[in-house]
Amino acid sequence: ELQQSGPGLVKPSQTLSLTCDISGDSVSSNSAAWSWIRQSPSRGLEWLGRTFYRSNWYSDYALSVKSRITVNPDTSKNQFSLHLTSVTPEDTAVYFCVRERFLEDSYSGMDVWGQGSTVTVSS
Amino acid sequence: DIQMTQSPSSLSASVGDRVTITCQATQDISSYLNWYQQKPGKAPKLLIYEASNLETGVPSRFSGSGSGTDFTFTISSLQPEDIATYYCQQYDNLPTFGPGTKVDIK
Repeated sequence: ELQQSGPGLVKPSQTLSLTCDISGDSVSSNSAAWSWIRQSPSRGLEWLGRTFYRSNWYSDYALSVKSRITVNPDTSKNQFSLHLTSVTPEDTAVYFCVRERFLEDSYSGMDVWGQGSTVTVSS
Repeated sequence: DIQMTQSPSSLSASVGDRVTITCQATQDISSYLNWYQQKPGKAPKLLIYEASNLETGVPSRFSGSGSGTDFTFTISSLQPEDIATYYCQQYDNLPTFGPGTKVDIK
């Protein structure tokens, strides 16, 4: 299970920060990646970025947000976070944290989703 | 980025009808294609992974096929609880989603 938390309103130019608590799995799992996805009427479902552990920590980011995004693991709390800087009203969306599953090292989809967090960027 | 298209964008069908949705990728993605169902106000739910594998617990009336650039998702007998929007998602490099197909009852 994934449980999201964070503010629902962010001012333009500030940083959007969300946290996702993991239960029933580990952020350090070798068979998962931990991702953030957002959904808005204008952009649909948009994968933003992920963190994952394969002997070392790695991250991948979508080109559309690469200069503004960080996804970090926190092993002590078994959670991961999203930080998106310099937000504009275009970043208004429902944000989901997601587990990307790997079965026998083969990618097999996004099988666990957080409840979703509505984030509005407005002054 | 690999772009995904879906057709139709919406459809209406009767209970018991066979429903087919197609998804096309802008380049070869082998079988790296998943299908999701999303109901209003809820997170998407994984139905099919690697183009044709039924996720555990998903009814067998749902199925998927295809490889390369062209994929098909089928509901063999539409049920009232299948009213939702369906999305394809590719994973050849970084994930991207199709625009969705909204399914409702005629």
